Amino acid sequence: SQKIEQNSEALNIQEGKTATLTCNYTNYSPAYLQWYRQDPGRGPVFLLLIRENEKEKRKERLKVTFDTTLKQSLFHITASQPADSATYLCALHMDSNYQLIWGAGTKLIIKP
Amino acid sequence: DAGVIQSPRHEVTEMGQEVTLRCKPISGHDYLFWYRQTMMRGLELLIYFNNNVPIDDSGMPEDRFSAKMPNASFSTLKIQPSEPRDSAVYFCASSFLLDDTQYFGPGTRLTVL
Repeated sequence: SQKIEQNSEALNIQEGKTATLTCNYTNYSPAYLQWYRQDPGRGPVFLLLIRENEKEKRKERLKVTFDTTLKQSLFHITASQPADSATYLCALHMDSNYQLIWGAGTKLIIKP
Repeated sequence: DAGVIQSPRHEVTEMGQEVTLRCKPISGHDYLFWYRQTMMRGLELLIYFNNNVPIDDSGMPEDRFSAKMPNASFSTLKIQPSEPRDSAVYFCASSFLLDDTQYFGPGTRLTVL
């Protein structure tokens, strides 16, 4: 069956370190993948989009990689700060089927 | 732009009552999406519209749920009759293109007693 997996356990990282979140998928061939951030009581907010022909995308302290062979995307936050604490969701999009497929999200906690 | 606007922010109702959730998308966005989020099931797409026309409602859980978009600036999601298992946060999102970034509203937290 089709599935997207994100770390179900909360990820605790010390401030200043690099946080790495994982998004694995099976039985999909996504055209691209998006990462969103969600704070408590708010809707998801778009962060980055990476296409299948791109290996890496960067935005300030954020970096996303996309490995279509491993069927995996990694989301990195360098020099992490307590303000980066939130839930991060990945979402896949296929050309042939609109539906944006969402992961369950990973809760990230940055400790001062 | 004020972003996607949803109302009410919180709704508490009793089982069997009708519930109407409202959404105003970002002006100029041609696509509008309704999602439901729970701890157990995560974010689920219920239905989406293109230029006010419903395109895919396969995510609507059952006939108790209905959605309309009478014009480009307004959409409603109605649950009649409501049940406790409908308790969730309901999000509305809009985008310019189908495969574009989606902009989410603040959500409506629905509690059905």
